[in-house]
Amino acid sequence: EAQVTQNPRYLITVTGKKLTVTCSQNMNHEYMSWYRQDPGLGLRQIYYSMNVEVTDKGDVPEGYKVSRKEKRNFPLILESPSPNQTSLYFCASSLSGNEQFFGPGTRLTVL
Amino acid sequence: GESVGLHLPTLSVQEGDNSIINCAYSNSASDYFIWYKQESGKGPQFIIDIRSNMDKRQGQRVTVLLNKTVKHLSLQIAATQPGDSAVYFCAGGGSEKLVFGKGTKLTVNP
Repeated sequence: EAQVTQNPRYLITVTGKKLTVTCSQNMNHEYMSWYRQDPGLGLRQIYYSMNVEVTDKGDVPEGYKVSRKEKRNFPLILESPSPNQTSLYFCASSLSGNEQFFGPGTRLTVL
Repeated sequence: GESVGLHLPTLSVQEGDNSIINCAYSNSASDYFIWYKQESGKGPQFIIDIRSNMDKRQGQRVTVLLNKTVKHLSLQIAATQPGDSAVYFCAGGGSEKLVFGKGTKLTVNP
């Protein structure tokens, strides 16, 4: 089944404790992206990647890192999480950046 | 840059009626628009898309209309069903990124 998977689905952590949210797609898509979704603000892009080893900042990249060492994986790294990064995170992939397929989401709480 | 906004944050319709969800965008250079549906607890799901060289596209029970003159697009859902209850997002952009609107919550009353 073609899909985007994210892990973990739920995470509660404390300020400053490094964490990684994994994202994997099995559709051989070149484009991958991370979004955060907050009430009243909609979906905002954090980082995106057009291909392996190519990453670019989205609209809200501060406090996040990503890597794209292989086509199928695009992990989101929070080196020192803060409470304002409490949010619902979505990974997405597509062939070109247009029709994006979304993962199920990761709900992160930073205490 | 692009900004995309929806006219109404909520919309309530009766089952069987047609629904129209509106969206406005700012960037005339946007060449691609897409509508997503997000059900509670799930990620956004693709509904229908349209390129800027078109003004109408139809899918199963859904139609997207694009008016480039006034930078407006709409999603029409025919014979709305309870399963259509969700948050609907429009997004616009090009080959590198999509900018999403804030969403309209559609409630279908039986």
